Amino acid sequence: DTEVTQTPKHLVMGMTNKKSLKCEQHMGHRAMYWYKQKAKKPPELMFVYSYEKLSINESVPSRFSPECPNSSLLNLHLHALQPEDSALYLCASSQVGSTNEKLFFGSGTQLSVL
Amino acid sequence: GIQVEQSPPDLILQEGANSTLRCNFSDSVNNLQWFHQNPWGQLINLFYIPSGTKQNGRLSATTVATERYSLLYISSSQTTDSGVYFCAARNTGGFKTIFGAGTRLFVKA
Repeated sequence: DTEVTQTPKHLVMGMTNKKSLKCEQHMGHRAMYWYKQKAKKPPELMFVYSYEKLSINESVPSRFSPECPNSSLLNLHLHALQPEDSALYLCASSQVGSTNEKLFFGSGTQLSVL
Repeated sequence: GIQVEQSPPDLILQEGANSTLRCNFSDSVNNLQWFHQNPWGQLINLFYIPSGTKQNGRLSATTVATERYSLLYISSSQTTDSGVYFCAARNTGGFKTIFGAGTRLFVKA
């Protein structure tokens, strides 16, 4: 199984809503990532978890709250988002400390904030 | 942090043509990857190539780490090769993989 599964594929939410994005992998990878991608731009790193601990937070606003409940799951909790937060949110995973730390990406959640 | 630059930004090819995409990076890297993003947004990992040369079918890649660049070769291009090609690099001691701005490729039938 070489898949990273993200749900939902599409999400529309109002600025007062609370929602969560979910990501799951069963490749035994111990690093998991959230990236944000605006249209016609490259993915931008938001958070990295290594061995279920937050390793990198790229100064992301607190309205985005990551969570890594176990080695296979990664969540991104959303609250009080702004319209400019509309983007494709990508989850990725990789091995840690090996000679081949390829990133495997999910298909993303297309988020629209109204 | 590390800077990643890609060229050309846009490329239009006739089906069957060959092309070379370039990625320059500003610092030594221990992790260099090439991705293809299809029109539906899916990022596919093409190569993990911090140094040396690899081939996979019509695609090949070469990274010259000492000169801080990587090349992606596409031969006999097909319409399904259309999309955006990203180079992504990471230097030692962390998880921060930085993407270049991408090369947007359109292959005409």
